[in-house]
Amino acid sequence: AQSVTQLGSHVSVSEGALVLLRCNYSSSVPPYLFWYVQYPNQGLQLLLKYTSAATLVKGINGFEAEFKKSETSFHLTKPSAHMSDAAEYFCAVTRWAGYSTLTFGKGTMLLVSP
Amino acid sequence: DGGITQSPKYLFRKEGQNVTLSCEQNLNHDAMYWYRQDPGQGLRLIYYSQIVNDFQKGDIAEGYSVSREKKESFPLTVTSAQKNPTAFYLCASSGQGDGQPQHFGDGTRLSIL
Repeated sequence: AQSVTQLGSHVSVSEGALVLLRCNYSSSVPPYLFWYVQYPNQGLQLLLKYTSAATLVKGINGFEAEFKKSETSFHLTKPSAHMSDAAEYFCAVTRWAGYSTLTFGKGTMLLVSP
Repeated sequence: DGGITQSPKYLFRKEGQNVTLSCEQNLNHDAMYWYRQDPGQGLRLIYYSQIVNDFQKGDIAEGYSVSREKKESFPLTVTSAQKNPTAFYLCASSGQGDGQPQHFGDGTRLSIL
C-alpha cells in the first residue's frame, strides 16, 4: 500500500530564510504527488501537484517541489519564507492508478519567526 | 464560484446521539471523500464515493455512515457507535481519472457535550 512520510512534525525558519519540507513516498505504481497547505480551522488548499510531465513542479505562493524517483522523494521548497507561510503542510500520494483517492502524510507545521 | 460547502462549522453531540454533517459541491465532480483530522495524525479517510449510489469504506469507517443519492451531496453521519468522535471533519471532491487533485471544504469541528 502507498504511504507517505513527512520528516519533522514542526519546522522553524526565520523570515527570509529557505523553506525545506521533506516528503518521502512508497508506491508500487507511478505516483501522482501533491502538496497541500492548511491554515488554522480551514480546509486544505492545493499548492502544487506532480503528474509526470516535469520533475520540477512550480506551485502557488512561490513554492516548488522536485520529484526524485531514485530517492522516492518530493520535497517542498521556497527560497525565502514569509510570515504568511506559517501553516501546516501535507504531502499526499495517489493510492491506485486511475483514481484520485489519496494517502496523506501526517503533516509538517511551518513556523516563521521575524 | 464553484466550491464545496460544509455545514455546520461547529457541531456538538450528546452521548448516544447520531449527528449528520453536510457536504455539498457544485464543481460537477464525480468523486467525493470524507476525512477525519486529529492533531498530529494527518488526514484519515473515512468513506469515499466514485459515483452516485455507490461508496466504499476507507481506513476508519467504523462508527460512521454515508449516502450518495445525488452527485452534489455526500452527507456523513457520526453514529453513537463512534466512541471518540471529537475531531475536525473534512469533505473533498475530485474529478475522475489519474492525478485529479482533491478540492476541500472548510471543515466541521465536532465536539462532545
